Amino acid sequence: EIVLTQSPATLSLSPGERATLSCRASQTVSSYLAWYQQKPGQAPRLLIHDASKRATGIPPRFSGSGSGTDFTLTISSLEPEDFAVYYCQQRSISWTFGQGTKVEVK
Amino acid sequence: QVRLQESGPGLVKPSETLSLTCSVSGGSISSTGYYWGWIRQPPGKGLEWIGNVFYTGSTTYYSPSLKSRVTMSVDRSKNQFSLNLRSVTAADTAVYFCARDGFAFDFWGQGTVVTVSS
Repeated sequence: EIVLTQSPATLSLSPGERATLSCRASQTVSSYLAWYQQKPGQAPRLLIHDASKRATGIPPRFSGSGSGTDFTLTISSLEPEDFAVYYCQQRSISWTFGQGTKVEVK
Repeated sequence: QVRLQESGPGLVKPSETLSLTCSVSGGSISSTGYYWGWIRQPPGKGLEWIGNVFYTGSTTYYSPSLKSRVTMSVDRSKNQFSLNLRSVTAADTAVYFCARDGFAFDFWGQGTVVTVSS
């Protein structure tokens, strides 16, 4: 089973700052990696698929990069509604999720 | 716009079978190329993938940790797909989500809370 390790567990930032979230796979997943945002009491929302492709309706401040085993989600300038938990997920071999990174207000 | 809605009992006794249904509207479950999946989230924890079923129902993929207890199926006539999880314990208490999987899980249900307790 492919294990996805996200870091950091918690990111404390202020609105307007840049957020950089990491996801590392235990073996290569090529570009078959997605990122989701989840707010309390809500279902996850797809942000990025295939490592760098923004999903429909996702603002350009969200960007994804990487391939193989190392991936990054970048939020260029945090808006108040971006404070949430973010998960990566791979579909290269079966499907697995990372444990999540919480982006909180500093 | 595709919409998904989970339904099923909110309380299941230990050792019994958890059965959930996901109803799809705004599109056909038979749309080619899609898998339909179940994901769960224990209280205060992260997301756990349970399994996927192809729209024809002919192909299923299950999490290795749950494979011995899980069955998923599709009812194309009702535009629904289902999850059965056998021999449940308290560790199966979670919010259960259904979702469409094309290149990623792009449409999700709102989730349904299932508690395992006697």
